[in-house]
Amino acid sequence: AQKVTQAQTEISVVEKEDVTLDCVYETRDTTYYLFWYKQPPSGELVFLIRRNSFDEQNEISGRYSWNFQKSTSSFNFTITASQVVDSAVYFCALSRDGGFKTIFGAGTRLFVKA
Amino acid sequence: DVKVTQSSRYLVKRTGEKVFLECVQDMDHENMFWYRQDPGLGLRLIYFSYDVKMKEKGDIPEGYSVSREKKERFSLILESASTNQTSMYLCASSSRPGQRSDEKLFFGSGTQLSVL
Repeated sequence: AQKVTQAQTEISVVEKEDVTLDCVYETRDTTYYLFWYKQPPSGELVFLIRRNSFDEQNEISGRYSWNFQKSTSSFNFTITASQVVDSAVYFCALSRDGGFKTIFGAGTRLFVKA
Repeated sequence: DVKVTQSSRYLVKRTGEKVFLECVQDMDHENMFWYRQDPGLGLRLIYFSYDVKMKEKGDIPEGYSVSREKKERFSLILESASTNQTSMYLCASSSRPGQRSDEKLFFGSGTQLSVL
């Protein structure tokens, strides 16, 4: 069975602080895909990143970075120098085939205070 | 700009009513999904469809049915709404696996359904 665990329910930081959102996954598949989505107050989930199980390279995109470690089944997300606009619910997700049936974690609500 | 559109942002219904939630996508996607989002539980898959007139049960299909008569439209039906179906409902779509290397889900803005 597949499972995604986001142990942090809510995180509150002050603007410009760095923050890491944790994600631990379980799967028996050797090929799988991991995602992060952002849900701002408007409600629509927005795709942030997709990673396949064969690519353990860390990725950086502006203030966002992702650390994928198969040895610990983790796919953590770090926001550097957080901003108020980063306030949202962030979901980690797992899929067997990339664009099809996707399992989501419970989400982490991030508050960034000015 | 590609879009997944859900017909209502907020909906209030009475217990026992039949409820239709509509979703339309303009990306010619094969796959469409209905999730419900509840605090502490994340998104849970209700039903999905990989082609017109095809449907598959997700993880929590009880109390729901779906209809996909046209490729762009996927409807979620609550045959007899109950209070435990009060939730945020999210529709999503994606292309068929293997067709593109950037496959991901595209979401609508959600429908907050309250059943009284």
